[in-house]
Amino acid sequence: KNQVEQSPQSLIILEGKNCTLQCNYTVSPFSNLRWYKQDTGRGPVSLTIMTFSENTKSNGRYTATLDADTKQSSLHITASQLSDSASYICVVRRYNTDKLIFGTGTRLQVFP
Amino acid sequence: IAGITQAPTSQILAAGRRMTLRCTQDMRHNAMYWYRQDLGLGLRLIHYSNTAGTTGKGEVPDGYSVSRANTDDFPLTLASAVPSQTSVYFCASSDSDRRTEAFFGQGTRLTVV
Repeated sequence: KNQVEQSPQSLIILEGKNCTLQCNYTVSPFSNLRWYKQDTGRGPVSLTIMTFSENTKSNGRYTATLDADTKQSSLHITASQLSDSASYICVVRRYNTDKLIFGTGTRLQVFP
Repeated sequence: IAGITQAPTSQILAAGRRMTLRCTQDMRHNAMYWYRQDLGLGLRLIHYSNTAGTTGKGEVPDGYSVSRANTDDFPLTLASAVPSQTSVYFCASSDSDRRTEAFFGQGTRLTVV
């Protein structure tokens, strides 16, 4: 079954600290993996997109990694800010289709 | 500002009533999608359209219909709303390249009572 699982479900950290969010998937065949940020009451906004051949991709303080062999991805946030408080959603696209499979997200709260 | 717009932002609807959620994009994207987001579940695809004039069913299409008369608009209709359709609905669009990201609207929060 094509699934995307994220951990932890929720996370609380202090401002300035780093954190890492995990995404494991069983989607096959694999096309690409995206991380989205969703602020409360808003639609998801793309942070990164990674294909099979890409291991690491950065977007400012966000760094995504992908291990296509183990079907795992992580999103590392450096020097967190209050504005990083949001849900982070991992999304995998099946190869040669338009079908996106969404994880349930990790709810991150950054406190001062 | 270019993007994707949904209306209304929120709605309370009596069960059995008909409701159309509107979605408009100005990016000239070929593909458009409707998702619902429920607590504890990932976004689930209701219907999609790869290009104007064509539509397809997603994983949870029952009780919903869509049309795609032109590139910009992709309305979602609930013919006879039921409480289980209480959810947050997101419209999204992307161009034909499957590498590109999907752009999402701000969502419509629908409560069926």
